[in-house]
Amino acid sequence: AQKITQTQPGMFVQEKEAVTLDCTYDTSDPSYGLFWYKQPSSGEMIFLIYQGSYDQQNATEGRYSLNFQKARKSANLVISASQLGDSAMYFCAMREGSPAAGGTSYGKLTFGQGTILTVHP
Amino acid sequence: GAGVSQSPSNKVTEKGKDVELRCDPISGHTALYWYRQSLGQGLEFLIYFQGNSAPDKSGLPSDRFSAERTGGSVSTLTIQRTQQEDSAVYLCASSFLAGAVRDTQYFGPGTRLTVL
Repeated sequence: AQKITQTQPGMFVQEKEAVTLDCTYDTSDPSYGLFWYKQPSSGEMIFLIYQGSYDQQNATEGRYSLNFQKARKSANLVISASQLGDSAMYFCAMREGSPAAGGTSYGKLTFGQGTILTVHP
Repeated sequence: GAGVSQSPSNKVTEKGKDVELRCDPISGHTALYWYRQSLGQGLEFLIYFQGNSAPDKSGLPSDRFSAERTGGSVSTLTIQRTQQEDSAVYLCASSFLAGAVRDTQYFGPGTRLTVL
């Protein structure tokens, strides 16, 4: 079963506008973390923002914010005031907090398929 | 400080040859992870090391893949008898402490492996 779903293969936004990248997830673990990473054409994965399942408030980091709707199991990334340098692939990832039965696989991140964001001038 | 480094940045090999990919984690990070990124499969977890604990090898696709971590620092991912489907970007990440759910993984630039 797909644990992380990003339904938007590609998104376009005008410079200085805001854009929302969608992410839904599936887990039965009450303790989990959600991460967003940016991957520019250079290939390196850059950490952007984190949201914990028990966090009471939506996470924010500069121009990045997370629209976390726990009941809907969604953690959408909002980028405000888009810049040309925001053009990249964006990945949503989840980490479950409890060891899987018989193993310790809770360390890994499970990634969505990614969304390519293009910012137009 | 210095980030995660990986070498080589690019590796071209012939089918059937063995390859070794190296990862230097961020100093002080106790956890180290290997992932693979390919067009068809997206980003897949391969293996992770946490301190002196036995590694979690649950993501390794076959017994041709192995990894070790020496002295709790540098890690080497070895692929024996490479196949064309092994062609991918291999990403290494490290984190301070894998036991915390909010523990952030920081990635290296990756090694692009091409098997001819």
